[in-house]
Amino acid sequence: DVKVTQSSRYLVKRTGEKVFLECVQDMDHENMFWYRQDPGLGLRLIYFSYDVKMKEKGDIPEGYSVSREKKERFSLILESASTNQTSMYLCASSTGQTAEAFFGQGTRLTVV
Amino acid sequence: KQEVTQIPAALSVPEGENLVLNCSFTDSAIYNLQWFRQDPGKGLTSLLLIQSSQREQTSGRLNASLDKSSGRSTLYIAASQPGDSATYLCAVGGGGTYKYIFGTGTRLKVLA
Repeated sequence: DVKVTQSSRYLVKRTGEKVFLECVQDMDHENMFWYRQDPGLGLRLIYFSYDVKMKEKGDIPEGYSVSREKKERFSLILESASTNQTSMYLCASSTGQTAEAFFGQGTRLTVV
Repeated sequence: KQEVTQIPAALSVPEGENLVLNCSFTDSAIYNLQWFRQDPGKGLTSLLLIQSSQREQTSGRLNASLDKSSGRSTLYIAASQPGDSATYLCAVGGGGTYKYIFGTGTRLKVLA
């Protein structure tokens, strides 16, 4: 089974802190994604990567950056956390062949 | 711009009923469509993936159909059980970079 693992289930951070969310997949997938999920807004794409060191902005990249130094790992960085970044963050990966997406368990981030 | 709509937003049924969840999309030029299940506070679990060339996919009590020309997909759940209670999300893949656009989900409650 494909496994996508996010480093934390719950995080509480202070306003202005630099926050790192880590995601690792074990199926050698080319594509990796970061979404945030908010009530009433659904899932919105923040960034995605289709290869090592490659990244593209999604629909809501402001206030975020990403890093993909190795194929299996995709990190989301909040440069200076703000309260409006309190959300559920979901990482996903997919193969370039079928494009079936697999998700991690999510990280509930609270910024106070 | 692709838009994905799921109706109804919430559904409550007695155990044993067969039920249909609906997903509609505005742009028929899709690469694939994927149905997910999400339990409260958790990540997304992939249920079924339908490629654009396919009309339906089946897994156990679940059957998903795709009609690209009308911009619709349905998820059929046979003989519903309380364990089926969750939010069901459909996501449309546009090809190329394999990004998905998500609907806001149908929250299903199956009563024992």
